[in-house]
Amino acid sequence: AQSVTQPDIHITVSEGASLELRCNYSYGATPYLFWYVQSPGQGLQLLLKYFSGDTLVQGIKGFEAEFKRSQSSFNLRKPSVHWSDAAEYFCAVADYNQGGKLIFGQGTELSVKP
Amino acid sequence: GAGVSQTPSNKVTEKGKYVELRCDPISGHTALYWYRQSLGQGPEFLIYFQGTGAADDSGLPNDRFFAVRPEGSVSTLKIQRTERGDSAVYLCASSGGTGGIRGYTFGSGTRLTVV
Repeated sequence: AQSVTQPDIHITVSEGASLELRCNYSYGATPYLFWYVQSPGQGLQLLLKYFSGDTLVQGIKGFEAEFKRSQSSFNLRKPSVHWSDAAEYFCAVADYNQGGKLIFGQGTELSVKP
Repeated sequence: GAGVSQTPSNKVTEKGKYVELRCDPISGHTALYWYRQSLGQGPEFLIYFQGTGAADDSGLPNDRFFAVRPEGSVSTLKIQRTERGDSAVYLCASSGGTGGIRGYTFGSGTRLTVV
């Protein structure tokens, strides 16, 4: 069955430091992969997505993610974190053989230290 | 509309009552999805509409949950005999196509609290 695993429930980084959030997926074909961010009380905002082509994907707010088929991973990175990046981050895979429903990971909560 | 609108934003109901949650998708979006997000968890799929029909309702937890989209635009998620375990944020998303290739737009959700 398709699944998404985010191994880190909570990560704390200092402002200005680099960030990497891990995501591993299980899917039988080439996946459609997404990263979303959710601030408290807010809906989900798309950061970036991968469908095909270049495995390094650029997104909004300075985020990028790299698709590695051999590792079944789609890790999210940012070279320098800002205090406003503190939020919950979700990785998801679209099951496009099942109408495109999204399967989400459990999320990683990011805290940013001054 | 410009975005996906969900109403109400908050709903408090007593155990055993019936509730309706509304989703107004982006105009012209044929695909509509409902998800449920419990505290500390990622969203979980409930049901998917393509046009007026429910193409996949495999995520509905039991027969107390039902959803409709009679005219292929607005959708209503209905929960009968609510239980405290139904407390969650219910998210709606719409898409201009199928399979995710055109991406999704999410609403801000309805926070349901069953007391």
